[in-house]
Amino acid sequence: QQQVKQSPQSLIVQKGGISIINCAYENTAFDYFPWYQQFPGKGPALLIAIRPDVSEKKEGRFTISFNKSAKQFSLHIMDSQPGDSATYFCAASKRNAGNMLTFGGGTRLMVKP
Amino acid sequence: GAVVSQHPSRVICKSGTSVKIECRSLDFQATTMFWYRQFPKQSLMLMATSNEGSKATYEQGVEKDKFLINHASLTLSTLTVTSAHPEDSSFYICSARGGGWDEQFFGPGTRLTVL
Repeated sequence: QQQVKQSPQSLIVQKGGISIINCAYENTAFDYFPWYQQFPGKGPALLIAIRPDVSEKKEGRFTISFNKSAKQFSLHIMDSQPGDSATYFCAASKRNAGNMLTFGGGTRLMVKP
Repeated sequence: GAVVSQHPSRVICKSGTSVKIECRSLDFQATTMFWYRQFPKQSLMLMATSNEGSKATYEQGVEKDKFLINHASLTLSTLTVTSAHPEDSSFYICSARGGGWDEQFFGPGTRLTVL
């Protein structure tokens, strides 16, 4: 049972454009929603995270939008750059379960110069 | 920021041998460490969770006798792949979490190739 569904699987964006990646979850007990960025051959790096008590969080060019009623959250990358080309994973966890992360399937982003 | 290291970064071994991978939290005490496995172009799959000083909790389908995990201290966890076979070839990644934190910080990963 895939508890976190991520789309699209791949995304091509022109430099300067907006990259949007969406995730949907099933377990309403999840209370922490991070996004990770992974470059080939490297471990994931925490990009930005949100808790369900806010609907949006922005850090630089990266914004998470959170819709609790729809059980959906998304990552927006503004002014996308070729250096943003990587695989992005959304995840979800719940504090009373040891914060074990459930990952989405990943989105391979390519930003064309 | 919190830094997690892994050693080795890459290992090639013969079928039937055992391989040990170390995961260290360099600047914080990791009360919980996680081990993941990632196949090419796929997501991370949690293998096991370990808390310092206690036995690891393995996910369903992960053989605990094949993937031995030891979390001996608050800064070190090891994963030993015993009697490795070619199907064990994968990218193994650890993560660590400090007490009271929600965030997990990931290591750079270890590429295991079993010939």
